[in-house]
Amino acid sequence: DVQLVESGGGLVQPGRSLRLSCAASGFTFDNYAMHWVRQVPGKGLEWVSGISWNSGSIGYADSVQGRFSISRDNAKNFLYLQLNNLRVEDMALYYCAKGSHDYGGHFDYWGQGTPVTVSS
Amino acid sequence: NFLLTQPHSVSESPGKTVTISCTRSSGSIASNYVQWYQQRPGSSPTIVIYEDNQRPSGVPDRFSGSIDSSSNSASLTISGLRTEDEADYHCQSFDTSNYRRVFGGGTKLTVL
Repeated sequence: DVQLVESGGGLVQPGRSLRLSCAASGFTFDNYAMHWVRQVPGKGLEWVSGISWNSGSIGYADSVQGRFSISRDNAKNFLYLQLNNLRVEDMALYYCAKGSHDYGGHFDYWGQGTPVTVSS
Repeated sequence: NFLLTQPHSVSESPGKTVTISCTRSSGSIASNYVQWYQQRPGSSPTIVIYEDNQRPSGVPDRFSGSIDSSSNSASLTISGLRTEDEADYHCQSFDTSNYRRVFGGGTKLTVL
């Protein structure tokens, strides 16, 4: 079975950094694109960033461009999101999501999320 | 960049049919596939429709998707409503020019 397990969330002060991880199992990780999606409790989903199977294509939402960095380690089956210069508005539950294809596709599996709280 | 706009909430009775719309602000709705995700309270989203009108295995055929170029919108239709369908529904599409994905604001479906 496909499993995506996020970690690394927590409480951080504005302006500080955090690194989220997503451990993937149950599928051939380096065959698929991967994404991060966040959700403020009670609000809608916001796509944050995505990376193709070989890291050749990467995209970011305007709200995080220049502050967040996505990466993957295909040898270890891990997806990462480096969050720098965090703002109060970045506070959300961060989901790791598997793409259905190597480059594009939809999100066919989701993790349970890791919460990020930004507060002084 | 474009936006996807959904109604904030809809409600309908068990056994009835409901349609949730997702309107694209610019560019053609037909130019990029639309997906629909169901999110029950306290749970992660799950895919119910992909590529405009395709149903993943395990999703009942009570769920269907379509697009309408005249209104530049996509729709999710759920027939034979059950109380278990009560959830938030999110539409999603692609902005392939810059490898971005776009979500609608989500629609809360109440079955009462």
